[in-house]
Amino acid sequence: EAGVVQSPRYKIIEKKQPVAFWCNPISGHNTLYWYRQNLGQGPELLIRYENEEAVDDSQLPKDRFSAERLKGVDSTLKIQPAELGDSAVYLCASSLGGTRKNYGYTFGSGTRLTVV
Amino acid sequence: QKEVEQNSGPLSVPEGAIASLNCTYSDRGSQSFFWYRQYSGKSPELIMFIYSNGDKEDGRFTAQLNKASQYVSLLIRDSQPSDSATYLCAFSSGSARQLTFGSGTQLTVLP
Repeated sequence: EAGVVQSPRYKIIEKKQPVAFWCNPISGHNTLYWYRQNLGQGPELLIRYENEEAVDDSQLPKDRFSAERLKGVDSTLKIQPAELGDSAVYLCASSLGGTRKNYGYTFGSGTRLTVV
Repeated sequence: QKEVEQNSGPLSVPEGAIASLNCTYSDRGSQSFFWYRQYSGKSPELIMFIYSNGDKEDGRFTAQLNKASQYVSLLIRDSQPSDSATYLCAFSSGSARQLTFGSGTQLTVLP
């Protein structure tokens, strides 16, 4: 079974430029998450999708960040324009969802973004 | 107060010793607790989860949960150099199926 696939692995852009990250979750996983992890910190949730619906985007900086999950499978996270403070690792994760208590999810390899 | 508090370390233990990692949380509605391991430059990987008070063992790993005291711990027996990593504690609460992470504890197992 393929894991969560993210691309690109690394991205270096100049500030004010746009950037997009792509995520393909594990097949059958209805729930998809985007997290941001700063150096030396734990991951912080940006947005959670249940199928194609964004059910929690309260931590997403909506002035510059946007996300979509068309058809409830792949997802794209976009930043426009990027700022220096956006430099971080962007992690995508997926889980089966449902009411089970163990919904510890599987992370993708992440995209390391450097804004210069 | 942060929702999840972890000692950032670094924590160093000799090979073969027991490593003890601790985590406290502030949300009494927290239901499930997870431990993730993250190697440098890699993404977090799930080690264990626990949602009932007491101990849960899986190989060399034991998770302990005390909801009354609001802490969860991870014990690693017979620590190996390959256990050297950052260990992240996470919890979920209420109906939200999403995890809140601590900042992690960096563990180094010395050969």
